[in-house]
Amino acid sequence: LAKTTQPISMDSYEGQEVNITCSHNNIATNDYITWYQQFPSQGPRFIIQGYKTKVTNEVASLFIPADRKSSTLSLPRVSLSDTAVYYCLVVPNTGGFKTIFGAGTRLFVKA
Amino acid sequence: DTGVSQDPRHKITKRGQNVTFRCDPISEHNRLYWYRQTLGQGPEFLTYFQNEAQLEKSRLLSDRFSAERPKGSFSTLEIQRTEQGDSAMYLCASSPEGDKPYEQYFGPGTRLTVT
Repeated sequence: LAKTTQPISMDSYEGQEVNITCSHNNIATNDYITWYQQFPSQGPRFIIQGYKTKVTNEVASLFIPADRKSSTLSLPRVSLSDTAVYYCLVVPNTGGFKTIFGAGTRLFVKA
Repeated sequence: DTGVSQDPRHKITKRGQNVTFRCDPISEHNRLYWYRQTLGQGPEFLTYFQNEAQLEKSRLLSDRFSAERPKGSFSTLEIQRTEQGDSAMYLCASSPEGDKPYEQYFGPGTRLTVT
């Protein structure tokens, strides 16, 4: 399983765009990049997943360069409610496996 | 879709006692996962079931821990002879086998405090 590295914490202000970068140098060919969000006292929530290039949904965008050794989660115009921990995972697209969460990135959005 | 539910939400027990937690996954999901999470850390994988078969088990799951999913629906996680180090949030998640198998849906967790 590929190991991921992401910043421990980030601060932002309401209305700004936030980009969280994750490195995964040992990503395998059949691995996908997946991001989860976790609020205090709740279980993680799936945000977005991608394989290469760019993926966008109603919550975020995910940018993946051609070598796939890193990825960037982009949160547009954050609000106070986006304060949470964000986890980057590298997983096989078939599911059903040992899933490794790192410590995540603690995003704090200020007014 | 009622989501993943876990029971109890909170459990306080004395060291040496046994505890059992229950997880009810989303009904059409055949994959079920258990995690443990301590303060400031990400969830740590404990075990994974596909239907009733336990296919993956972390070394974190010592002999005092056992998980079952007897009919491929709900699952239980039992901790015997609890220790203070077992205090943590225990999370359950489920995922489908078909469309979007990578997307795990988490329950609210059971917070265990061992005194």
